[in-house]
Amino acid sequence: GAVVSQHPSRVICKSGTSVKIECRSLDFQATTMFWYRQFPKQSLMLMATSNEGSKATYEQGVEKDKFLINHASLTLSTLTVTSAHPEDSSFYICSGPGPGGGYTFGSGTRLTVV
Amino acid sequence: QKEVEQDPGPLSVPEGAIVSLNCTYSNSAFQYFMWYRQYSRKGPELLMYTYSSGNKEDGRFTAQVDKSSKYISLFIRDSQPSDSATYLCAMETGANNLFFGTGTRLTVIP
Repeated sequence: GAVVSQHPSRVICKSGTSVKIECRSLDFQATTMFWYRQFPKQSLMLMATSNEGSKATYEQGVEKDKFLINHASLTLSTLTVTSAHPEDSSFYICSGPGPGGGYTFGSGTRLTVV
Repeated sequence: QKEVEQDPGPLSVPEGAIVSLNCTYSNSAFQYFMWYRQYSRKGPELLMYTYSSGNKEDGRFTAQVDKSSKYISLFIRDSQPSDSATYLCAMETGANNLFFGTGTRLTVIP
């Protein structure tokens, strides 16, 4: 089946630094990837939609200068959290439309900003 | 009103029980309906994907969609401790705009 590989699975960084999260579609091409954020015991919240070869579309309330999204190829999308602060600590998950319908999710990245 | 409503639980059942998970929605334009299973600290895993109304069965899992009532269900037969997870319903109109329920936390007790 369709697989999305997400790295790193866990990262701890200091406040003020930047963190890059990568998502790769391993066996299918994804012109679109979705980035979600999930706080403990809450559902997934869509942050932005990345589009291969064009600018990402951000949801209302999501700072595009803080959460930089790049979709450089049909198999790679990245999310960079710039100047991270403790309130950015969360679980970040990407997903891509699977070739058979539905969406395939990465395994998630737990970001802790100290 | 939220687009998708789902009882967060928690729901505890004994091993072997039939589990019924449900979601209601308000947007009649939703056409694609999904159920995801999410283990703690992992990404969601697609369990069932259905289009429009009807039933779909896959092993111990059965998904039902009733568009007239705007109601979807996931049934798990012969539940196992390994089924303990959070189950998320999700749906979309077909324009890559996925809406999730809050998830129901299920525990199957051995």
